[in-house]
Amino acid sequence: DVQLVESGGGLVQPGGSLRLSCVASGFTFSDYWMHWVRQVPGEGLVWVSRIKSDGITTAYADSVKGRFTISRDNAKNTLYLQMNSLRVDDTAVYYCARDSDYKLDFWGQGTLVTVSS
Amino acid sequence: QSALTQPASVSGSPGQSITISCTGTSSDVGGHNHVSWYQQKPGKGPKVMIYDVTDRPSGVSNRFSGSKSGNTAFLTISGLQTEDEADYYCSSYTRSVTLVFVFGTGTKVTV
Repeated sequence: DVQLVESGGGLVQPGGSLRLSCVASGFTFSDYWMHWVRQVPGEGLVWVSRIKSDGITTAYADSVKGRFTISRDNAKNTLYLQMNSLRVDDTAVYYCARDSDYKLDFWGQGTLVTVSS
Repeated sequence: QSALTQPASVSGSPGQSITISCTGTSSDVGGHNHVSWYQQKPGKGPKVMIYDVTDRPSGVSNRFSGSKSGNTAFLTISGLQTEDEADYYCSSYTRSVTLVFVFGTGTKVTV
């Protein structure tokens, strides 16, 4: 079965850094594009970033560009999101999701990031 | 960057049909057919219900159907059931230089 398991969330002060991980299993990780999506509790889904299967081609939402870096280690079946210069409005549940032919067909359970002093 | 526009809420009685709209621009919804719809229940991750405007993943009920006209996509749920009560989000890839993917604002469906 396909599984995506996020980790790395927690409480961090404004201006701080955090690295999220998403471990994939049940499929050939290196064949798929992957995304990070976030959701403030009680609010809507917001796309954050995408990385192609080659690990080189990436894209970001304007709100995180220059502060967040998406990467992947295909040997470890793991997706990452390095988040620097965190702001209060980055507080959200962060989901990783698999992209299969332009649809996000599997999602993790999410990891909560809280940015607060 | 603007989210796609959806109605905040739609309601219906069991057995009825409802339709949710998702309005974008010619750079996203109107620009290609990679429009998807996701269902999200409380405390859970989203589940894809429709992709490429009209296609259903295996295992999704045929009561769910999708369509598009111009810059607006639609999700129709026929024979509404109590288990359909959830939040629904549309999404689209975009031709914009600055954004690859965009979600809708979300619609709460009440049965």
